[in-house]
Amino acid sequence: EPEVTQTPSHQVTQMGQEVILRCVPISNHLYFYWYRQILGQKVEFLVSFYNNEISEKSEIFDDQFSVERPDGSNFTLKIRSTKLEDSAMYFCASSVTGGADTQYFGPGTRLTVL
Amino acid sequence: SQQGEEDPQALSIQEGENATMNCSYKTSINNLQWYRQNSGRGLVHLILIRSNEREKHSGRLRVTLDTSKKSSSLLITASRAADTASYFCSHRGDMRFGAGTRLTVKP
Repeated sequence: EPEVTQTPSHQVTQMGQEVILRCVPISNHLYFYWYRQILGQKVEFLVSFYNNEISEKSEIFDDQFSVERPDGSNFTLKIRSTKLEDSAMYFCASSVTGGADTQYFGPGTRLTVL
Repeated sequence: SQQGEEDPQALSIQEGENATMNCSYKTSINNLQWYRQNSGRGLVHLILIRSNEREKHSGRLRVTLDTSKKSSSLLITASRAADTASYFCSHRGDMRFGAGTRLTVKP
């Protein structure tokens, strides 16, 4: 069964460094999402992406964040200058259509900012 | 609030018992979905119920939807220790989740 994959599974970085988290959505999906979950807290929506542009973003998704679909398969989240509070699990998801269609989540990347 | 709100926040039962958790929302919906999250893992889609449906079954899962009350319930029958997880509802494309219901099933 097709699944969303994410790399790396764990990323450790120093405060102020840039990180790129990678996701490979399910191949026939058109909508892509990033979510964040700080340890012990709820899953928070960051951004949705469709047709090579951001369709919606939350207040968390500030200028430090950017997303890109650099080729036909990858979907990336870049954090330009990481802060301690960026430490969290980051989940990618994809869906065939947008709206309230079923989203399929990847296993997540644990980001630790030191 | 734009997100579904689940209750109770935590539920602890014995294996074999049924578990019921509820979700309330404030806006009109096209459909509502339930997801499960095992600790530290990604969310797994469980079941989708459309706004014109009142009840839906999938294996040991039963979901009801009452659009007049803007609420949904998820029933897990004959629970197993492996059902221990957090359960979330969502009705939006941008999936603004609530805090979820933390279900613990004791063997």
